[in-house]
Amino acid sequence: DAGITQSPRHKVTETGTPVTLRCHQTENHRYMYWYRQDPGHGLRLIHYSYGVKDTDKGEVSDGYSVSRSKTEDFLLTLESATSSQTSVYFCATGPPGPDTQYFGPGTRLTVL
Amino acid sequence: GIQVEQSPPDLILQEGANSTLRCNFSDSVNNLQWFHQNPWGQLINLFYIPSGTKQNGRLSATTVATERYSLLYISSSQTTDSGVYFCAVVAGTASKLTFGTGTRLQVTL
Repeated sequence: DAGITQSPRHKVTETGTPVTLRCHQTENHRYMYWYRQDPGHGLRLIHYSYGVKDTDKGEVSDGYSVSRSKTEDFLLTLESATSSQTSVYFCATGPPGPDTQYFGPGTRLTVL
Repeated sequence: GIQVEQSPPDLILQEGANSTLRCNFSDSVNNLQWFHQNPWGQLINLFYIPSGTKQNGRLSATTVATERYSLLYISSSQTTDSGVYFCAVVAGTASKLTFGTGTRLQVTL
């Protein structure tokens, strides 16, 4: 939907290693979001961006950082991955308020 | 923050049956969306419906904002309707969606 791609789509890594996930959009949406999805929790917001270099925390931001140097790219970094960060990560774009959000295909991350 | 509750958590239907999924929220909202997550994990927008009623084929949705709930109706269900249905809202001046925990639907032959 809405020209959103995520990379990688699957990743297995070891505890303590840094990991960066990339979200790329072609719709020139101002807002971009990173969510994680875990059984029993639905989707929870990690961080979001409301413009280039403008970011804010969501409800589960500990252990994650983000960067947005271009409108089309939003990076999520796990500085030192832990097993509790094993999850499926979704990127989304679109404005808040009276409009819809569009989701990327997701990245399945496993931290051993 | 706002609480979003969905019911039932699980639902099994035979093909051709109708169903109603419910979403209750604890505060006033200016954005409510329904999503379908298919068995391959893709999240697909179904409706943007902060109030009123909308229909799209066999699916329709109604939100009664004053009573803080929304309903998703699925008629003549098909196996391709299987998956998880999420309700998500934006409350007041917030700038982010809050998701419910979803209703898992399985449609059998």
